[in-house]
Amino acid sequence: AQSVTQLGSHVSVSEGALVLLRCNYSSSVPPYLFWYVQYPNQGLQLLLKYTSAATLVKGINGFEAEFKKSETSFHLTKPSAHMSDAAEYFCAGMLSGGYNKLIFGAGTRLAVHP
Amino acid sequence: DAGITQSPRHKVTETGTPVTLRCHQTENHRYMYWYRQDPGHGLRLIHYSYGVKDTDKGEVSDGYSVSRSKTEDFLLTLESATSSQTSVYFCAISELVGRDEKLFFGSGTQLSVL
Repeated sequence: AQSVTQLGSHVSVSEGALVLLRCNYSSSVPPYLFWYVQYPNQGLQLLLKYTSAATLVKGINGFEAEFKKSETSFHLTKPSAHMSDAAEYFCAGMLSGGYNKLIFGAGTRLAVHP
Repeated sequence: DAGITQSPRHKVTETGTPVTLRCHQTENHRYMYWYRQDPGHGLRLIHYSYGVKDTDKGEVSDGYSVSRSKTEDFLLTLESATSSQTSVYFCAISELVGRDEKLFFGSGTQLSVL
């Protein structure tokens, strides 16, 4: 079965610290992977995506993610957290048979402390 | 926001009643999607449409039906609402941005079934 797993439903960091949000996918999921961010009472916004080009993908707001096939991972990082990064983050993978039929992970809520 | 409007934004209803949620778009996009978001599950695809009168089931379609009689509107109907359908519902459209296809989400509809 295809699946996307996010490790840790809640992550808390200090402002200025490294942000690391973990995502693993099942080996049957095609290698189209995405990170979305959701701010309170809003829909989802695309942060970045991997589509089999460069393994290190840079997105908006200083985020980046590295695709590691050997680890079936697509972790999201940001070198220095900002208060405005507090949100919920979703990793997603493409279902076979359609570009935009995405499987979402359960989400990770990021808290940033002063 | 790619011109997506969901209505209503909030709805409280009783078990067994029919409910229809509307997604309206103003930019003539072909593909439209309905997702539900639940804690611990991320977003799950209910139904999607690839054109007028062309729809298909997603991963959690039981208890839901959809209709798309015109390009701009994609309706999600719960024929007989149940408490398990209490959720936040997101409509999405896919849009070609440059040579890249992206998924854009509406602001969501909070549905409570009592």
